[in-house]
Amino acid sequence: DAKTTQPPSMDCAEGRAANLPCNHSTISGNEYVYWYRQIHSQGPQYIIHGLKNNETNEMASLIITEDRKSSTLILPHATLRDTAVYYCIVRVATNFGNEKLTFGTGTRLTIIP
Amino acid sequence: DSGVTQTPKHLITATGQRVTLRCSPRSGDLSVYWYQQSLDQGLQFLIQYYNGEERAKGNILERFSAQQFPDLHSELNLSSLELGDSALYFCASSPTGTSYEQYFGPGTRLTVT
Repeated sequence: DAKTTQPPSMDCAEGRAANLPCNHSTISGNEYVYWYRQIHSQGPQYIIHGLKNNETNEMASLIITEDRKSSTLILPHATLRDTAVYYCIVRVATNFGNEKLTFGTGTRLTIIP
Repeated sequence: DSGVTQTPKHLITATGQRVTLRCSPRSGDLSVYWYQQSLDQGLQFLIQYYNGEERAKGNILERFSAQQFPDLHSELNLSSLELGDSALYFCASSPTGTSYEQYFGPGTRLTVT
């Protein structure tokens, strides 16, 4: 699996867009980028994933650079409830029922009122 | 609410004892994953079951074992407990044929005294 690098912490003002970067310069062509978050001591929550195209859902947008070596998770209008640790995970997609997630240290995002 | 349930929520026990943690996956999900989160190790994958069979193993100690039953619920058994086993234990489930979109339960907090 490709290694990912994320800043350890970030702050964002409430109501502004939170942009969380992730570097995955060794990513392979068949590896997806997944984002999860963990709000204090709760179970991690799936946010979004993508391969090469930008993706958007009701929670966030994922922007992947053309060379796929980095990506940015965007929370368009951050609220206090978005304060959490955000994990960027890169993994080959399989349908073989063997999809363990390897969590790094993530980015601790704090939303400031 | 992810649809994954875990019991008990909290467990306090003494060193040397044995405990069983229980997980019920989301309706229809065949895969169950167990993760351990301790303060110094972060989130670590332990083991995965798929439709009753062990599919992948991570950093699971020999004192730990798991199984998935015909009704798809899973149990994680921890024996000869040590102080270092104190952690949050999460169970996750995923839909058949989907990669890394896993749905996590609220966790069981184990404290070994």
